Amino acid sequence: DAKTTQPPSMDCAEGRAANLPCNHSTISGNEYVYWYRQIHSQGPQYIIHGLKNNETNEMASLIITEDRKSSTLILPHATLRDTAVYYCIVQSGGGADGLTFGKGTHLIIQP
Amino acid sequence: DAGITQSPRHKVTETGTPVTLRCHQTENHRYMYWYRQDPGHGLRLIHYSYGVKDTDKGEVSDGYSVSRSKTEDFLLTLESATSSQTSVYFCAISADRAGGYTFGSGTRLTVV
Repeated sequence: DAKTTQPPSMDCAEGRAANLPCNHSTISGNEYVYWYRQIHSQGPQYIIHGLKNNETNEMASLIITEDRKSSTLILPHATLRDTAVYYCIVQSGGGADGLTFGKGTHLIIQP
Repeated sequence: DAGITQSPRHKVTETGTPVTLRCHQTENHRYMYWYRQDPGHGLRLIHYSYGVKDTDKGEVSDGYSVSRSKTEDFLLTLESATSSQTSVYFCAISADRAGGYTFGSGTRLTVV
């Protein structure tokens, strides 16, 4: 029973902002939204996470809707190195008992 | 990645032999995890640990055992390797319940 829904693939032009959507309509009040990415054959890389408020770090911004039923990961100036599979994960307790990865979105940055 | 090392990086073994993969961290993080990744299945949790000698099963724990005798090491053992355990194995660490995970570079295991 998937907790999140993501498009299987997306394209974005290099230098533009990449906006990756995620639907999590059944999210509970104590569940966080996590974003990871995996570049081919490498280990997944943590990007950002949030509970209610929007978050920003050096890699990306996370926008969570007021009802928390969806979120958007924004990569402000996409480069070719951002081509990867991006995973949106919803989990309570911070995932201390293990995060559950879905199929993610394959983001392809076009030159 | 810095602070977490998996060994070996690659291994080929024969069916029926025991195999141990090692995950070593220098971050003193409490939580450690073993995942496997296969085409069509994505990342699946095998076992995890929430402290020294404290471990629990994940989604696909059959055929695997783990041990954590000290904070920095989390060992994954395939008791009798089978071809279905051919996979890429990733270790991850986390400092606290709400933090992000740091993953290792992976071990590519082939069982022939």
